[in-house]
Amino acid sequence: DTEVTQTPKHLVMGMTNKKSLKCEQHMGHRAMYWYKQKAKKPPELMFVYSYEKLSINESVPSRFSPECPNSSLLNLHLHALQPEDSALYLCASSLHSGGTNEKLFFGSGTQLSVL
Amino acid sequence: GQNIDQPTEMTATEGAIVQINCTYQTSGFNGLFWYQQHAGEAPTFLSYNVLDGLEEKGRFSSFLSRSKGYSYLLLKELQMKDSASYLCAVRVRSGYNQGGKLIFGQGTELSVKP
Repeated sequence: DTEVTQTPKHLVMGMTNKKSLKCEQHMGHRAMYWYKQKAKKPPELMFVYSYEKLSINESVPSRFSPECPNSSLLNLHLHALQPEDSALYLCASSLHSGGTNEKLFFGSGTQLSVL
Repeated sequence: GQNIDQPTEMTATEGAIVQINCTYQTSGFNGLFWYQQHAGEAPTFLSYNVLDGLEEKGRFSSFLSRSKGYSYLLLKELQMKDSASYLCAVRVRSGYNQGGKLIFGQGTELSVKP
């Protein structure tokens, strides 16, 4: 199994809603990532978890709250989002976060629209 | 700051060869990756360079010159399915005791014409 699975694939939410994005991998990877990608722009790193501990937070607003319940699961909790937060949210994993040649495996993403 | 530059768009003909350039100015360089991304899909790994020189993988090759802050992706025998965005990404060491983070360039939208 070389897949990173993200759910849901599409999400529409209002600015007062609370929702969660989910990501799962069963490759034994110990590093997991959240990226945000706007249309025709590159992915931008949001968070990195290494061995289930948050190791990088790229100054992301607190309305985005990551959680890593175990080494296979990564969640992104959303609350009071703004329309400008509409984007494709990509989850990725790698064996570790420390290796120089470790490639990231990406999920297909959740396309989020905030109304 | 970290800066990665690549052309926004390129067009090439089926069966031809195309070279996509990437220049970077980063601190704590720790490897360079190329990813392919079709519209609406996840980026998929193509190649990796950490030492100077050429890495070849089938129809795809990638080159790195660390002293020049320069890389290119070479695609041979182009096929229509190669139409996609090609992302140059640099791993930089973070301030933590981990290997670092991956920063992406803007991506090059390649259109392959018959």
